[in-house]
Amino acid sequence: GEDVEQSLFLSVREGDSSVINCTYTDSSSTYLYWYKQEPGAGLQLLTYIFSNMDMKQDQRLTVLLNKKDKHLSLRIADTQTGDSAIYFCAESPTGTASKLTFGTGTRLQVTL
Amino acid sequence: EAGVAQSPRYKIIEKRQSVAFWCNPISGHATLYWYQQILGQGPKLLIQFQNNGVVDDSQLPKDRFSAERLKGVDSTLKIQPAKLEDSAVYLCASSPNSATKYFGPGTRLTVT
Repeated sequence: GEDVEQSLFLSVREGDSSVINCTYTDSSSTYLYWYKQEPGAGLQLLTYIFSNMDMKQDQRLTVLLNKKDKHLSLRIADTQTGDSAIYFCAESPTGTASKLTFGTGTRLQVTL
Repeated sequence: EAGVAQSPRYKIIEKRQSVAFWCNPISGHATLYWYQQILGQGPKLLIQFQNNGVVDDSQLPKDRFSAERLKGVDSTLKIQPAKLEDSAVYLCASSPNSATKYFGPGTRLTVT
């Protein structure tokens, strides 16, 4: 079955860049997502990338996809304290009305 | 645009009791999902509806969990009887049959 793995914890200083990594096993993944979850809140969709792309940039966020290695990363430029949260990588085999398989989440801690 | 609404936000029950959660998806979204998120883990799909039909309920513990979406809009998820291991956040999500899936704030269930 599908498996999505992430490192559990990342600590960065305010103003630095954060890079959160994710690996997945399902070669039929069509869409790959990054969600943000703040304490006590639901999941907020940050961005997603279609599998025929290798990069997507949206303001401070850059998503890189290495489809050969099944590796996805999220780079947050100029990390702020408000970026402290858990970040989930997720994949979807077809993208349209299909289920998401989530990783275990990476807790990002931003220090002053 | 109003987001996905869920209620209640918090619920505490004793084991063997019953509980029900309600979800109102974003207007016009045909697909609705219920996810279970155990503390420290990523969300896991319980059931997926397309309009009022079930698309995937392979991971729903059907001996105690049930869900319905009678008119293809709102949905309820029920647990009867609850076990200690059901303590989790129950997330509802909806999708307009595109790559984007929107999550509600979740219902945090504590079973004592």
